[in-house]
Amino acid sequence: DIQMTQSPSTLSASVGDRVTITCRASQNIDKWFAWYQQKPGKAPKLLISKASDLETGVPSRFSGSGSGTEFTLTISRLQPDDFATYYCQQYHNYPWTFGQGTKVDIK
Amino acid sequence: QVHLVQSGAEVKKPGASVKVSCKTSGYTFNDHYIQWVRQAPGQGLEWVGWVNPKSGGTHNAQKFQGRVTMTSDSSTTTAYMELNRLTSDDTAVYYCARDQGTYGLAFDMWGPGTMVIVSS
Repeated sequence: DIQMTQSPSTLSASVGDRVTITCRASQNIDKWFAWYQQKPGKAPKLLISKASDLETGVPSRFSGSGSGTEFTLTISRLQPDDFATYYCQQYHNYPWTFGQGTKVDIK
Repeated sequence: QVHLVQSGAEVKKPGASVKVSCKTSGYTFNDHYIQWVRQAPGQGLEWVGWVNPKSGGTHNAQKFQGRVTMTSDSSTTTAYMELNRLTSDDTAVYYCARDQGTYGLAFDMWGPGTMVIVSS
């Protein structure tokens, strides 16, 4: 199975900060990669697919980059609504796998 | 608008089976796989498998092989996931999600989740 490793596991930040989350895959997954946001008690929400394609309706402060084995999610200016847990996912090889999550909380 | 509505919470005893439904609306049912993902309490996301509503074909993670059955009914635009021989490790929220397409992509719309508790 492809292991997806996110860093950091927890990130404390303030409104207006630039935030970067990294996800590393244990083998090459090309660009078959997504980022999701999850708030407590809610289903995940797709933010970015194919490593850098922003979903319709997702604010432009979110961006994704990378290919192969290293990927990043950047939030250019953190907003109050962005405090949540973020998961990466690969859909290159079965079984599709997720990272362990990065919780972004208030500093 | 795309909607996925799931069945209600379930409490099951070890060894029993559970069947979760996912009623969809607002799009062409046969044009998108339905994915199933679970999340144990306080844990991360785990992919279970998908069903192709057009063909009825399925693919699941190896760890669920022989225990999971995923089906779909185009007449009611509803997908189902049945998990057998439940253990306490199967206690989780089970989500259905719409695949972006019909060949395994990211999951662009999600149901609210169904809590399944396995307890004696």
